[in-house]
Amino acid sequence: GENVEQHPSTLSVQEGDSAVIKCTYSDSASNYFPWYKQELGKGPQLIIDIRSNVGEKKDQRIAVTLNKTAKHFSLHITETQPEDSAVYFCAAGSGYALNFGKGTSLLVTP
Amino acid sequence: DAGITQSPRHKVTETGTPVTLRCHQTENHRYMYWYRQDPGHGLRLIHYSYGVKDTDKGEVSDGYSVSRSKTEDFLLTLESATSSQTSVYFCATEGTSRGYTFGSGTRLTVV
Repeated sequence: GENVEQHPSTLSVQEGDSAVIKCTYSDSASNYFPWYKQELGKGPQLIIDIRSNVGEKKDQRIAVTLNKTAKHFSLHITETQPEDSAVYFCAAGSGYALNFGKGTSLLVTP
Repeated sequence: DAGITQSPRHKVTETGTPVTLRCHQTENHRYMYWYRQDPGHGLRLIHYSYGVKDTDKGEVSDGYSVSRSKTEDFLLTLESATSSQTSVYFCATEGTSRGYTFGSGTRLTVV
């Protein structure tokens, strides 16, 4: 089955800096790669996703890049703000039933 | 998310007792999922459903069963709860557009 590795497990940045979280996946059949943000005490929320026919996607300060050849994808957050502090999960899958990475705890310090 | 309701939000139960967690959706989504979240393990799939009475196992299904008698309800049952099943349980649905929508979770403690 699909195996998703996520790094780093924790990340601390200063407000205004950029943050990058990286994931690799094992199943070449995976074609859908979403990212979720989870705040304390809440369920994960989709923040951006990308499909395998696209190499990069942007939404304001958030971008995701995908390298299908190398089987890795990354989340980029620019101009970080304290409210970006949360746990971020990457996931990969095809059809249904996503497999998730173990999460990255991002702390943005003022 | 207003379209998915999990109940109860918190539960403490004793080892060996049966427990049922409920997920209710108002989105009319076909696919529904149960995940458990544990420190160091992220989100792991327990069971999922692709329609009424159609369910299948995920990677950590041992000790769990599910039922889906209506589109809107997906039940997760721990037949005989064990301490290793202490976790936060999330239900998710998948519509036709933008991936999963998660509920707010159920924190289950087995003592």
